[in-house]
Amino acid sequence: DAGVIQSPRHEVTEMGQEVTLRCKPISGHDYLFWYRQTMMRGLELLIYFNNNVPIDDSGMPEDRFSAKMPNASFSTLKIQPSEPRDSAVYFCASSLVWGSYYTQYFGPGTRLTVL
Amino acid sequence: GNSVTQMEGPVTLSEEAFLTINCTYTATGYPSLFWYVQYPGEGLQLLLKATKADDKGSNKGFEATYRKETTSFHLEKGSVQVSDSAVYFCALSDRNTGNQFYFGTGTSLTVIP
Repeated sequence: DAGVIQSPRHEVTEMGQEVTLRCKPISGHDYLFWYRQTMMRGLELLIYFNNNVPIDDSGMPEDRFSAKMPNASFSTLKIQPSEPRDSAVYFCASSLVWGSYYTQYFGPGTRLTVL
Repeated sequence: GNSVTQMEGPVTLSEEAFLTINCTYTATGYPSLFWYVQYPGEGLQLLLKATKADDKGSNKGFEATYRKETTSFHLEKGSVQVSDSAVYFCALSDRNTGNQFYFGTGTSLTVIP
């Protein structure tokens, strides 16, 4: 399996621009998670989906952030407009519930820099 | 609620030293416990896991035992290598709370030759 795929790996943009991050989960996984990692705040869960439906978006910091999962093999995280404080590494992870536990598998991340 | 607390870093050890990274948890149900490792510039990778009390997870020389009586899941390795330098995250998942993961803040380990 190719694992969780994220694109782009690096993104540099200017304040006010729209940014779209993409994720392809592992085939067959029915949960998808978006995280943000910064030195100051560590790893934060932004939103997660089950069977393409958003379950909990309480971690989404502001209305500037939105996430979609139009099908089981693709998800996007959009920031519009972007701000310098959005600079972070954004991870996508997917998981499959198996018995009484499950394991999350992470993508390599997208390093976002907003100037 | 659910939470994970792990020891503050950074930790610096000499090669072949013994490693312990402490992790304690709070959970409302019966969680599964995990250690993830993040190498520089990469995403988090599962290192080991334990799904019930007294289970021992192990991988690549690392071990951790699920201790329900002390609500702990400490990570240990008998002899660290330079290649073990990374950030280590303790985490729990609990099906009672919608299969979310709760991560600790991470502990940075540097192993020097």
